[in-house]
Amino acid sequence: DVKVTQSSRYLVKRTGEKVFLECVQDMDHENMFWYRQDPGLGLRLIYFSYDVKMKEKGDIPEGYSVSREKKERFSLILESASTNQTSMYLCASSPQGDTVGDEQYFGPGTRLTVT
Amino acid sequence: AQSVTQLDSQVPVFEEAPVELRCNYSSSVSVYLFWYVQYPNQGLQLLLKYLSGSTLVKGINGFEAEFNKSQTSFHLRKPSVHISDTAEYFCAVRYTGTASKLTFGTGTRLQVTL
Repeated sequence: DVKVTQSSRYLVKRTGEKVFLECVQDMDHENMFWYRQDPGLGLRLIYFSYDVKMKEKGDIPEGYSVSREKKERFSLILESASTNQTSMYLCASSPQGDTVGDEQYFGPGTRLTVT
Repeated sequence: AQSVTQLDSQVPVFEEAPVELRCNYSSSVSVYLFWYVQYPNQGLQLLLKYLSGSTLVKGINGFEAEFNKSQTSFHLRKPSVHISDTAEYFCAVRYTGTASKLTFGTGTRLQVTL
């Protein structure tokens, strides 16, 4: 079974703190993704990576950065957390780049609250 | 811009009744279509996907969906729902040339009651 794990299920941080969300997958997938999920807005792509050290902006990258130093690990960084970044964060992975029908496999999510 | 529309944010239904969750996408030459389910406090898992071939796709847990190219729709159906089907359902579309990126709808909350 594909396993995507996220470092925390729940996280509470203060405004202005630097926040790291970690994601690890064990299926040797090339692609990894970070989404945020908000009620009524569905899933919105923040960043994705199709290879080690490669990254591309998604639809809402402002206020976030990412790091992919190893194939299995993809980190989301909030440089200076703000209350409008309170959300559920979902990590996903999928196999090689442009193969037809690649489904994405999701982690359980991290519910981040910024106070 | 590419978009996916799930018009119903919530669908209440009684147990053993049939259900249809609607999904429409913006027109494109070629798309791949997915339905994901999210149970409370969990990540998303794949229900079914359409890549090509037969327009009727069968998935897990008795769900099926029909691809309708002329109406740009991919509605999800189940003939008889169970309490355990209570969850949030997301339609997603991959447009060709977008390097595995998915565009998600806003989700439909299916609430099954006795």
